Amino acid sequence: DAGITQSPRHKVTETGTPVTLRCHQTENHRYMYWYRQDPGHGLRLIHYSYGVKDTDKGEVSDGYSVSRSKTEDFLLTLESATSSQTSVYFCAISPGLAGTDTQYFGPGTRLTVL
Amino acid sequence: GENVEQHPSTLSVQEGDSAVIKCTYSDSASNYFPWYKQELGKGPQLIIDIRSNVGEKKDQRIAVTLNKTAKHFSLHITETQPEDSAVYFCAASPQTGANNLFFGTGTRLTVIP
Repeated sequence: DAGITQSPRHKVTETGTPVTLRCHQTENHRYMYWYRQDPGHGLRLIHYSYGVKDTDKGEVSDGYSVSRSKTEDFLLTLESATSSQTSVYFCAISPGLAGTDTQYFGPGTRLTVL
Repeated sequence: GENVEQHPSTLSVQEGDSAVIKCTYSDSASNYFPWYKQELGKGPQLIIDIRSNVGEKKDQRIAVTLNKTAKHFSLHITETQPEDSAVYFCAASPQTGANNLFFGTGTRLTVIP
């Protein structure tokens, strides 16, 4: 998984509680991404980061926030979890250099919101 | 934004036969097209990719073709083996900003021994 770890790997929580997922990389890649995977939708981008403290929204960002205080760590926070946020969350990294835009994915976090 | 459609959603083939998965995209600005393989409980793994200045790329039993005029690209797997069974995703990227990937909905390939 290209030097990417995600924690926790599984989490069950209740509606209304805050949840933070962590992505950690050892590749020193510039770009980091959070996707969610749902049946019938493939993977959809939530947020991404192009450097420390530099983040932007993806196509399904509502209800999510992110932070990146170090190159190696990218956090995804659900401020108040809802059942619609039950999903599998994947982190990805990319060098971000011209011609090296390949994205490499982590193992995923399965989140269940009851 | 980009819209990627992928067909078929499921595909069963006999071991040794070929498998073909097709994708179309909507944004003519897209110029990078990766394919990912995802096994149960794991993250997507890149298996091959192609850029818009190339019409075909091959890596052993896997090949990808791209038709920019028609806005479609395909994955070809020859001499399929049981370990090829997985879900395959195509994606397209317009290579702007963060090089966002837009994914198809996946094809579940089953190779029957």
